[in-house]
Amino acid sequence: NAGVTQTPKFQVLKTGQSMTLQCAQDMNHNSMYWYRQDPGMGLRLIYYSASEGTTDKGEVPNGYNVSRLNKREFSLRLESAAPSQTSVYFCASSDDRDRQYFGPGTRLTVT
Amino acid sequence: GDSVTQMEGPVTLSEEAFLTINCTYTATGYPSLFWYVQYPGEGLQLLLKATKADDKGSNKGFEATYRKETTSFHLEKGSVQVSDSAVYFCALRSNSGGSNYKLTFGKGTLLTVNP
Repeated sequence: NAGVTQTPKFQVLKTGQSMTLQCAQDMNHNSMYWYRQDPGMGLRLIYYSASEGTTDKGEVPNGYNVSRLNKREFSLRLESAAPSQTSVYFCASSDDRDRQYFGPGTRLTVT
Repeated sequence: GDSVTQMEGPVTLSEEAFLTINCTYTATGYPSLFWYVQYPGEGLQLLLKATKADDKGSNKGFEATYRKETTSFHLEKGSVQVSDSAVYFCALRSNSGGSNYKLTFGKGTLLTVNP
């Protein structure tokens, strides 16, 4: 039982490049989330998906897109990366009891 | 909107010292409250939770009591260990409205415990 997995673990991009962060969970959870973590800012919600087939904006969605590919997978895409998107990105999933399970994170640097 | 304010760190303690990390919140209605912990290089893990006023959440020697009158959920541990060194996040989930599965996090408090 792997829980929540994320790929890649580290990534360096140049300004304007695009990339997709992958997330998968094997706990059969309905809800999935993408957060970014910045020093002194805590975690901020980028997008979430309450169930397969639905996605909604969170607190900081600008510059990102998401796809809920199926119940297991929820990807985050940066179409044109900017230095302000340098951050650590966490994917999470949850069950009905509102306990969120977090992946190990992707550390992204945009130069 | 919902918000969580927690004690700014970093907090540095000696092993076996008493720990308190303060957390207060603003929310409509009666939110559920959580403490998450992030060990170095890892994702967040749920430490404890409380879903209604006067509930006490506890886990691994940590405790927090949901105080509606003071809108607080302070984290305490009687005797910390080096292995407790981590970042601690207070969070709430609003129970009003349709989007009641989203968490609002505080900024986190870095705890370092020295031997």
